[in-house]
Amino acid sequence: NAGVTQTPKFRVLKTGQSMTLLCAQDMNHEYMYWYRQDPGMGLRLIHYSVGEGTTAKGEVPDGYNVSRLKKQNFLLGLESAAPSQTSVYFCASSYARNTEAFFGQGTRLTVV
Amino acid sequence: RKEVEQDPGPFNVPEGATVAFNCTYSNSASQSFFWYRQDCRKEPKLLMSVYSSGNEDGRFTAQLNRASQYISLLIRDSKLSDSATYLCVVNTNTGGFKTIFGAGTRLFVKA
Repeated sequence: NAGVTQTPKFRVLKTGQSMTLLCAQDMNHEYMYWYRQDPGMGLRLIHYSVGEGTTAKGEVPDGYNVSRLKKQNFLLGLESAAPSQTSVYFCASSYARNTEAFFGQGTRLTVV
Repeated sequence: RKEVEQDPGPFNVPEGATVAFNCTYSNSASQSFFWYRQDCRKEPKLLMSVYSSGNEDGRFTAQLNRASQYISLLIRDSKLSDSATYLCVVNTNTGGFKTIFGAGTRLFVKA
């Protein structure tokens, strides 16, 4: 009954450090997404994937990279963290574009 | 103008009250609409889809008005457990598929 699992749940980075956020889903969904959520703003799409081996840019892709080597996993990388990337990151997956999205529990990232 | 706009609230209502939220969207070609619920420091979860004819799920009723480009959510007989942020979500397929989240409306239900 896992659904969408994100790791880690919390992380503090220093400016310039790199890290990878891992998202795993066990629902056999084709579509996976990475969002960030900042106070007073809606969730904003960073990158998404419509299937294994594919990725595409969302609304705010700069400073992030992604990979989808396996259908069940979607990785989000920060190569050189900046304070502006302090946010809550959510991964989500869906069966199709217009269907319900299932979210992971979020990763709270602070860049100092 | 934001593509999806919601009144941020907060809405403070007593238990048993009826409360309504509106959400406006700017793209007339938008295709599908949802309401999600997000509890404090938790992930969003689907509350209900919004259909053109309107739909009801227990105490919750969602309406879509395409002519005026807004969707609404009505909560009847509010419970303490309804306290959360309600997110309006709009899907469009103009210039590529996009899912746009509103910033959310906060609801506090008080005893």
